[in-house]
Amino acid sequence: SQELEQSPQSLIVQEGKNLTINCTSSKTLYGLYWYKQKYGEGLIFLMMLQKGGEEKSHEKITAKLDEKKQQSSLHITASQPSHAGIYLCGADVTNAGGTSYGKLTFGQGTILTVHP
Amino acid sequence: GAGVSQTPSNKVTEKGKYVELRCDPISGHTALYWYRQSLGQGPEFLIYFQGTGAADDSGLPNDRFFAVRPEGSVSTLKIQRTERGDSAVYLCASSAGWGTEAFFGQGTRLTVV
Repeated sequence: SQELEQSPQSLIVQEGKNLTINCTSSKTLYGLYWYKQKYGEGLIFLMMLQKGGEEKSHEKITAKLDEKKQQSSLHITASQPSHAGIYLCGADVTNAGGTSYGKLTFGQGTILTVHP
Repeated sequence: GAGVSQTPSNKVTEKGKYVELRCDPISGHTALYWYRQSLGQGPEFLIYFQGTGAADDSGLPNDRFFAVRPEGSVSTLKIQRTERGDSAVYLCASSAGWGTEAFFGQGTRLTVV
């Protein structure tokens, strides 16, 4: 089965600092999703990456998928208290027939705290 | 609806009781997923519906867990003879199909006492 390892497990930064969260897979990633979760709430979709070398940005958050499609990084520039939460990477799992249907395996999450 | 809606938001039940958790997906989304999230962990897949049929139920932990989606829209996750280990947040998600993002509900926090 596919396993995702996120690092670090937790991160505390001062407002305005840049930070990076990594997500490493034991197998090739056919679709990599980043979500943010506030305590007690559901997951908020951030970005989806599918192609090796792909990079996407939204506001101050940039996500990349490496060429080998086994590692993704999420970078936040000039962090703000509103960025605090749990960041989860999820991998699209292909079934034995090779047809993906959106079933995701998630990492354990990275808890981000941003001090004002 | 505007988003995925789950009810109830919180459920406390006694060990051995039966519970039903409801998910109302985004209108028109054919794919529906149930996940379970324990404290400090990422969500774990339980079951996937494409339309009315359960296309993949490989994540259901045992036969006490069952889910239905009779009309291809609302889904109900049913847990029989609840155990304390079933306590978790149960998340529902829906999507328009492969390659599109899944939108999650806010979850149902189940506590078995």
